[in-house]
Order: sequence, then C-alpha cells, then structure tokens
Amino acid sequence: DGGITQSPKYLFRKEGQNVTLSCEQNLNHDAMYWYRQDPGQGLRLIYYSQIVNDFQKGDIAEGYSVSREKKESFPLTVTSAQKNPTAFYLCASSPPAGTGSSTNEKLFFGSGTQLSVL
Amino acid sequence: GQQLNQSPQSMFIQEGEDVSMNCTSSSIFNTWLWYKQDPGEGPVLLIALYKAGELTSNGRLTAQFGITRKDSFLNISASIPSDVGIYFCAGQLETGGFKTIFGAGTRLFVKA
Repeated sequence: DGGITQSPKYLFRKEGQNVTLSCEQNLNHDAMYWYRQDPGQGLRLIYYSQIVNDFQKGDIAEGYSVSREKKESFPLTVTSAQKNPTAFYLCASSPPAGTGSSTNEKLFFGSGTQLSVL
Repeated sequence: GQQLNQSPQSMFIQEGEDVSMNCTSSSIFNTWLWYKQDPGEGPVLLIALYKAGELTSNGRLTAQFGITRKDSFLNISASIPSDVGIYFCAGQLETGGFKTIFGAGTRLFVKA
C-alpha cells in the first residue's frame, strides 16, 4: 500500500546526543515536510523540501537539520542544540503542484515519532 | 504571522449527540482543510473547502467555508465512540503544503 512510514515510533535522546528520525514515502510525492506537535498546540513547520536536493527552513528550524538525497526519503536530525526536543514529530508529503487535481494543498501524514529526553 | 483560533479546546459529549466546532482567523484564506488525529497517529484529511460559502459533507461530517473567508465550521452528527480524537482546522492563502497554517485543535471525548 502507498503511504508514509516513520520510524521509530518512540525514541529517547540523551543530553548532548543527536538523533535521527526516519521518514519514507512511496506516494511519488515531490514535497515533504516535518512538523512538531506539542500538547495543546497546532502543528509547527520545522523544515520542508519541494524537490530532491533542496530544502527550506520552516518556522522553528533552529536545532534541527534535514537532508533530501532521494525523493522517497526526508530524514530529520534533532541536534544537541535543540534544548527542548520532547515532542511528537510528524512527517508529511503532498502531491506535485500543477497536477490539476486540486490535491497539492493536501498533506498526507505519517504515524509520527514520539521523542523524549532521558 | 497568521494565526487560527480554534474553539472549543475540548468537548465532552454523549454518544449520539451532534458536535460543532469552528475556526476563525484575522486573515482571509483561499482554502480551508479539516483533519482528524487519532491518539498516537498522524492527522488524516476529512474535508477540503475551496470557495467562500461552500458546504461539503463526508458521511456524518459537514464543513463550511465562511462567507468572509475568515472562518470555517465543522459539524459532526450523531457522534459515536470512534469520533474521539483531535480535530484540526487548517487554512491556506496560497496553494502549497508549506503554506498551511494549523489551529491548535479541538479534542473530542465521546462517552458511550
């Protein structure tokens, strides 16, 4: 089945450690996104990528890094510079713009990764 | 920046009751979207709205794009236990996933 796979489901980070969250999609979508979700708040955009080998900072990029070497993959690294990393992280993708089907504004989400600090 | 005010923050209802929630903004949007998030999962799109005044249904769910383009409403009729979750509104002024602004969500609890 086509979809977005995030792993692991739960992740623990020690102080000073970098951790990487995986996101893979087989929907053939060009655009991919990372969101952070904190209790009682809306989703906040960390990074996004509209095409392979290109990505842009979102609203809360500090302390995070990404890469987009393949269309299917958009891993997120939470660095030691992120002092409050505990949150639920969601990866999403969207179809290419200009498809003519009015679908490119719709986001398709993975099932999330809960990151906690030890 | 743009912000969405979603209300209520949470609702506790009895199975079979109807539910209404809304989202307002100080800015206009060209697209309104409603998502549902089950506990521990990612949000899933319920309804997308593209024109002011548009009323769209998806089963027991009905959503409307406000005439002023600054608000949207979601109604759920005859609620059932599996309606439990967080409902997010989202707005876009321009087309593009990265231009999506999310509300803080309405957490719905349904008592059987």
